[in-house]
Amino acid sequence: GAVVSQHPSRVICKSGTSVKIECRSLDFQATTMFWYRQFPKQSLMLMATSNEGSKATYEQGVEKDKFLINHASLTLSTLTVTSAHPEDSSFYICSARVPGDRGNTIYFGEGSWLTVV
Amino acid sequence: DAKTTQPPSMDCAEGRAANLPCNHSTISGNEYVYWYRQIHSQGPQYIIHGLKNNETNEMASLIITEDRKSSTLILPHATLRDTAVYYCIVRVVYNTDKLIFGTGTRLQVFP
Repeated sequence: GAVVSQHPSRVICKSGTSVKIECRSLDFQATTMFWYRQFPKQSLMLMATSNEGSKATYEQGVEKDKFLINHASLTLSTLTVTSAHPEDSSFYICSARVPGDRGNTIYFGEGSWLTVV
Repeated sequence: DAKTTQPPSMDCAEGRAANLPCNHSTISGNEYVYWYRQIHSQGPQYIIHGLKNNETNEMASLIITEDRKSSTLILPHATLRDTAVYYCIVRVVYNTDKLIFGTGTRLQVFP
């Protein structure tokens, strides 16, 4: 079946630095990918929609200059957390839609734990 | 905002059927009902989806009421590994076609 993979699964970075998380679709081409953030014991919150070859669409309240999204190819989207602070520590999850599937099912990656110290 | 409401938690004995309800009274005619589950510290796992007919796959069955205002996910023989948070989601079909998560139901399967 369709597989979405994220890397790294866990990352620790120092406050003020930037960190990049990759999301890949392994056996299909994804023109659209989605990035979510999840804090402990809370539900997933959609951050942005990543569109191949164009600018990402950010949800209200999400800082586009802080969370840079690049979707340079049909199989790769990246999320860069710039000037990270401890409050950015969270579980980041990407997802991708399988085109042509009945109802266009969306599959999720394994998630990436970010800890900012 | 999520367009679904689910009970916050449910318990189920191992081997018994787990029936997870979901209300989506404002669902539109072309919106699907999707179910995902999230095991602790993992990304959500797709379970099943449907439009108006009941659906069954190797994981679960989905029963959608005739008026489509509610649905039930059925895990026929729950195991301890089915302990997770289950999310019922109505697919928001605009030009970005995104999934909006509600708070879900935390299912605890006990021995």
